Amino acid sequence: NAGVTQTPKFQVLKTGQSMTLQCAQDMNHEYMSWYRQDPGMGLRLIHYSVGAGITDQGEVPNGYNVSRSTTEDFPLRLLSAAPSQTSVYFCASRRGVYYEQYFGPGTRLTVT
Amino acid sequence: KNEVEQSPQNLTAQEGEFITINCSYSVGISALHWLQQHPGGGIVSLFMLSSGKKKHGRLIATINIQEKHSSLHITASHPRDSAVYICAVQNYGGSQGNLIFGKGTKLSVKP
Repeated sequence: NAGVTQTPKFQVLKTGQSMTLQCAQDMNHEYMSWYRQDPGMGLRLIHYSVGAGITDQGEVPNGYNVSRSTTEDFPLRLLSAAPSQTSVYFCASRRGVYYEQYFGPGTRLTVT
Repeated sequence: KNEVEQSPQNLTAQEGEFITINCSYSVGISALHWLQQHPGGGIVSLFMLSSGKKKHGRLIATINIQEKHSSLHITASHPRDSAVYICAVQNYGGSQGNLIFGKGTKLSVKP
């Protein structure tokens, strides 16, 4: 199993550009989440999904969209990039509510 | 006030020392997670516990639900244990059991 994969590993965007961060898992997990990690702060939840076709907002959803058309994939879209979105983004999945989380390797995004 | 507080923020130890990292939380929880983030950035789950104690190799995690406190112990520490250790709680009343994370404890073990 590849586990949780994320692409790209690094990305530089200009302010106002849009892009999609890809996340996929091959463990048939129902729960998937997107987090951002900023210096001096804990991981913060952006959006999450409890199954195909079901998504909801987390703590910091503004400026991001998600969709979950399949169990495997959970892409994160930045609509109009801003410097405040410079961060490291992690995708994670788990089998259910009371199971451990598996994290992807992260995407380091810089917005200039 | 942060809902999850870790101490210390930074910790330097000599190889072989016994290490303790603490986590206190202020919300009702259904489970607590300990995670390890290596210098390369990857995050792995070490423990998920809701009561008592769990052990895996040289790592031991304990939780006291009444005192809202958990500890992560590393016995016979080694330089390869150098990493950031993150405590996260699963909020009992939160949406779908989403996690609330502490800011992490950066551990450096010197040879």
